[in-house]
Amino acid sequence: DIQMTQSPSSLSASVGDRVTITCQASQDISNYLNWYQQKPGKAPKLLIYDASNLETGVPSRFSGSGSGTDFTFTISSLQPEDIATYYCQQYDNLPWTFGQGTRLEIK
Amino acid sequence: QVQLQESGPGLVKPSQTLSLTCTVSGGSISSGDYYWSWIRQPPGKGLEWIGYIYYSGSTYYNPSLKSRVTISVDTSKNQFSLKLSSVTAADTAVYYCAREGRGLRKWDYWGQGTLVTVSS
Repeated sequence: DIQMTQSPSSLSASVGDRVTITCQASQDISNYLNWYQQKPGKAPKLLIYDASNLETGVPSRFSGSGSGTDFTFTISSLQPEDIATYYCQQYDNLPWTFGQGTRLEIK
Repeated sequence: QVQLQESGPGLVKPSQTLSLTCTVSGGSISSGDYYWSWIRQPPGKGLEWIGYIYYSGSTYYNPSLKSRVTISVDTSKNQFSLKLSSVTAADTAVYYCAREGRGLRKWDYWGQGTLVTVSS
C-alpha cells in the first residue's frame, strides 16, 4: 500500500493567516491526489482533485500543488469556517489510502 | 442533486456480521460513470477505504479487510450494501458510503455516515 504522510498533525493559526499543509507519498503517485475537509460530525468534503484542481463551488482561497511524492495544500487567508481536519488521499494505486489528517484550529 | 443515505443497525455483537445499505437518490446507480464506495472512520481517528462496487457487480476490496468484506449492488432499488463478518471492537466506526468517479477518481458525494458500535 502507498503510505501518505501529512504534516503537521495539528496547526493553530489566526484568521487571515496563510496556512500550508504538506502531504508526502511513499512512492511516485503523479498528480493522483485529492484533498478533503472534514468538520466535526460531518462527512468529508472534496476540495481539491488531481492535486491542483478546485472542486466546483469551493472557495478560491483553497489551492493545491505538487506532483510525484510531494504535495501542498494552502488556504490563502484563513476564515473561521475553515476550522476542520484536512486529509490528503491518493488514487494512483489500489487500495486508495489517506493521510492521517491535519487538525486546523483558530489561534 | 445526488444524495446518499446509509442505513442499518447501530449496534452489532462481536463475531457477528455488520450489514449496511446505502440508498442513492437523484441519480442512477446504473450510470456507468461511477463506482460506489464504502469508507469508515473509527471514533477520533482517520479514514479507511473499505472497497467499491460497479453497477455491473464487479468489486475491489481493501486487502486489509478482504477476507471479511462483501459489497453488493441492487440496481432495481438504487442501493448498494456492505457486509463485514466476524466483527470485533476494532470495527467500531462511522461508516460512510460515497460516489467515486470513474474518470476523475474523486468522492464527490457522500452519505452523512452512520455509527456502528461493536459491543456485547
